[in-house]
Amino acid sequence: NAGVTQTPKFRILKIGQSMTLQCTQDMNHNYMYWYRQDPGMGLKLIYYSVGAGITDKGEVPNGYNVSRSTTEDFPLRLELAAPSQTSVYFCASRPGQGFNEQFFGPGTRLTVL
Amino acid sequence: AQKVTQAQTEISVVEKEDVTLDCVYETRDTTYYLFWYKQPPSGELVFLIRRNSFDEQNEISGRYSWNFQKSTSSFNFTITASQVVDSAVYFCALSEAIGTGAGSYQLTFGKGTKLSVIP
Repeated sequence: NAGVTQTPKFRILKIGQSMTLQCTQDMNHNYMYWYRQDPGMGLKLIYYSVGAGITDKGEVPNGYNVSRSTTEDFPLRLELAAPSQTSVYFCASRPGQGFNEQFFGPGTRLTVL
Repeated sequence: AQKVTQAQTEISVVEKEDVTLDCVYETRDTTYYLFWYKQPPSGELVFLIRRNSFDEQNEISGRYSWNFQKSTSSFNFTITASQVVDSAVYFCALSEAIGTGAGSYQLTFGKGTKLSVIP
């Protein structure tokens, strides 16, 4: 199993540009999450999904959108990039039952200039 | 609201020293889980341990041990005989119930403690 994969690993955007961060997991996990990590800070939840077709906002959803058309994929969309969105983005997944741990992808480092 | 406090921003120790990383949490949930993750310089997040709110037994795994004390809302992490490879940022996290499904939760993270082990 590849686990949780994220693409791209690095990206530089100009203010106002749009992009999609890709996240795929091959573990048939129901739950998927998007977090952002700012320097010197812990991770903050952007959006999460409890299964295909079901998504909901986390703590910091403004400026982002998500979709979950399949169990495997959970892309994160930035519509109008702003410097405040410069961060490292982590996707995570976990099985649906119990309070088991979340498995994280390697992260995407995004810079908005 | 949930809160996780890791008061130690950075710690430096000399190799082979023992080191304890502190974690204090706040929650109104009666059932919750606590986690520790390691983030090495390469950037990925590595799961270390999960502990539920009903199990206050200490856990030991090799050089790692965890002390969970519900009375003080703390879940501290000790590395014995530290090694250079232990250098990383360590995050404590708390489950927060979301939605109504059983086991439906998000993680609230502390800001992390950066551990540097000097050879």
